[in-house]
Amino acid sequence: QVHLVESGGGVVQPGKSLTLSCEASGFSFSKYGMHWVRQAPGRGPEWVALIYYDGSNKYYVDSVKGRFTISRDNSKNTLYLQMNSLRAEDSAIYYCASQGYDSSGSYYYYAMDVWGQGTTVTVSS
Amino acid sequence: QSALTQPASVSGPPGQSITISCTGTTSDIGTYNFVSWYQQSPGKVPKLVIYDVHKRPSGVSNRFSGSKSGNTASLTISGLQTEDEADFFCASYTSDKIFVFGGGTKVTVL
Repeated sequence: QVHLVESGGGVVQPGKSLTLSCEASGFSFSKYGMHWVRQAPGRGPEWVALIYYDGSNKYYVDSVKGRFTISRDNSKNTLYLQMNSLRAEDSAIYYCASQGYDSSGSYYYYAMDVWGQGTTVTVSS
Repeated sequence: QSALTQPASVSGPPGQSITISCTGTTSDIGTYNFVSWYQQSPGKVPKLVIYDVHKRPSGVSNRFSGSKSGNTASLTISGLQTEDEADFFCASYTSDKIFVFGGGTKVTVL
């Protein structure tokens, strides 16, 4: 059974750093691209970043470019999000999510298939 | 990159069909068939119900269907049930190689 567990959230002052982790189990983690998505209270989800299955390509929403870094360690089945220069507007629940696999077409699709339960980041002085 | 546009709310009585629209641009929905839809019940994690415009993940009810015309994607829920009450979000891949979500639509079963 596919399972994603985020950790590392907390309360941090503006300008500080935080690293989130997402531990995967129940599937071949190294074959799937992984997303980070965040959701502020009372708002819709906002896509944050994507990393390819082998870490070869990484993409970010403009608002976090240069401040956040997505990475993965396939030997540990773990996804990371290094967040620097945090701002109040970065406060949200952060979810990791895996791409999905279309068995009839034999391809990995972009959509966020399985989601973790999320970890809360609060940026406040 | 601007968010996709969804109606704030859609409602219908049990058993009826409703359709939620999601409008983007030629930089996202109009060019790519990578539109997905997510259902989020209060206090819960978003759940994928449609990917690649019209495909359903295993285990998702066939009462959910997706389509696209031009820059607008649509999610139809047929045979509306009380358990369908939730917020629904669309998302699309874009020409900037990123993803963008819609603002969300609250579905109410009357």
